[in-house]
Amino acid sequence: SSELTQDPAVSVALGQTVRITCQGDSLRSYYASWYQQKPGQAPVVVIYGKNNRPSGIPDRFSGSSSGNTASLTITGAQAEDEADYYCNSRDSSGNRYVFGTGTKVTVL
Amino acid sequence: EVQLVESGGGLVKPGGSLRLSCAASGFTFSNYNMNWVRQAPGKGLEWVSSISSSSSYIYYADSVKGRFTISRDNAKNSLYLQMNSLRAEDTAVYYCARDVSDYEPLGLTYYYYMDVWGKGTTVTVSS
Repeated sequence: SSELTQDPAVSVALGQTVRITCQGDSLRSYYASWYQQKPGQAPVVVIYGKNNRPSGIPDRFSGSSSGNTASLTITGAQAEDEADYYCNSRDSSGNRYVFGTGTKVTVL
Repeated sequence: EVQLVESGGGLVKPGGSLRLSCAASGFTFSNYNMNWVRQAPGKGLEWVSSISSSSSYIYYADSVKGRFTISRDNAKNSLYLQMNSLRAEDTAVYYCARDVSDYEPLGLTYYYYMDVWGKGTTVTVSS
């Protein structure tokens, strides 16, 4: 089965830039979407497709992809960006979803 | 307001059954594929199952295949998850999520994601 691997944790100074990566074979065929989850809350999508932000998501969030790696970049991180972030894509069959292992972002 | 509200969670003994519901409002439910996603305590997100808008296509994660059944009633704007033969490892918050797919012109392919999520319902499997 497909797997998506993320670094468990990253930290970023307030106002600086942080990149979160997601690796997996399915990313060669399917775009990743990215979800932000704060404690006790449901996930919220922040990036989907090539680099699309839903309404209400700040433009400091951006996405990119190359080969088997997708990236989420937060440019000018804010305190409210401290959360868990998960990537997600279709698996190699194209019919099921797979989530990444998750990255905890700490804003210092 | 587009909204998904899950219900039906609770405490159940190993081997028992539970039926989760997800009530949709604020959008044309019958136009969308739907998903169940779960999150065990302190763990990451796990996709559980998907159902197409007309129930023609249904998919399950290997971890629940043969034990869980997803269904929907478009007349009632509701999504369901029948969970049988429950195990301790099924303990989790269960979310329903709306599925979106569209063509990405910049990439010349389709994208897929879950754009609306409910707040979740908690299932605890314990003796």
